[in-house]
Amino acid sequence: GQQLNQSPQSMFIQEGEDVSMNCTSSSIFNTWLWYKQEPGEGPVLLIALYKAGELTSNGRLTAQFGITRKDSFLNISASIPSDVGIYFCAGPRDNYGQNFVFGPGTRLSVLP
Amino acid sequence: DTEVTQTPKHLVMGMTNKKSLKCEQHMGHRAMYWYKQKAKKPPELMFVYSYEKLSINESVPSRFSPECPNSSLLNLHLHALQPEDSALYLCASSQVVPGGGYTFGSGTRLTVV
Repeated sequence: GQQLNQSPQSMFIQEGEDVSMNCTSSSIFNTWLWYKQEPGEGPVLLIALYKAGELTSNGRLTAQFGITRKDSFLNISASIPSDVGIYFCAGPRDNYGQNFVFGPGTRLSVLP
Repeated sequence: DTEVTQTPKHLVMGMTNKKSLKCEQHMGHRAMYWYKQKAKKPPELMFVYSYEKLSINESVPSRFSPECPNSSLLNLHLHALQPEDSALYLCASSQVVPGGGYTFGSGTRLTVV
């Protein structure tokens, strides 16, 4: 079945630094989703990508749909303490868009 | 209203108990989902309802029984659970369009004793 890998698994950064993380797939995707989950909460959709090469921003977050369609990248600029959480990528298992597989997540800690 | 509401937030149940988890949304979404999330793991899909009909069952044991009484409500009935079923149970909803992202609820933290 389809598997997603995320790297790094975890990262500790200083407030104000930029963050980069990525997600790779064993198969081609036509959609990439990026979610953030904070403790005690459900995941929140940050950015959705639908086309190879697409670059989309949401405030300080920027995500890109890789040209090979097997990877995606998420960047956070000028990190702040509330960026702490687990960042998951997700891609569809089928063409109907209702069955998504999630990556293992990147756990981000921001040091003041 | 842009929320998915789940109740209860926490639930402790014995292995012989019967309980239900509830989920409600008023965004007009016609697809609703149950996900299970163990600690330090990503969410894993359990069930998908599309237009109030079960469309995906990811080989979930029969001790979990989903129900979608109408387009706004989703229930998960629990019976004879095992301690390893302890997890965060997340409900989500979405438009029934390919690639649409989900809106998740905050989850029910279930502990089976």
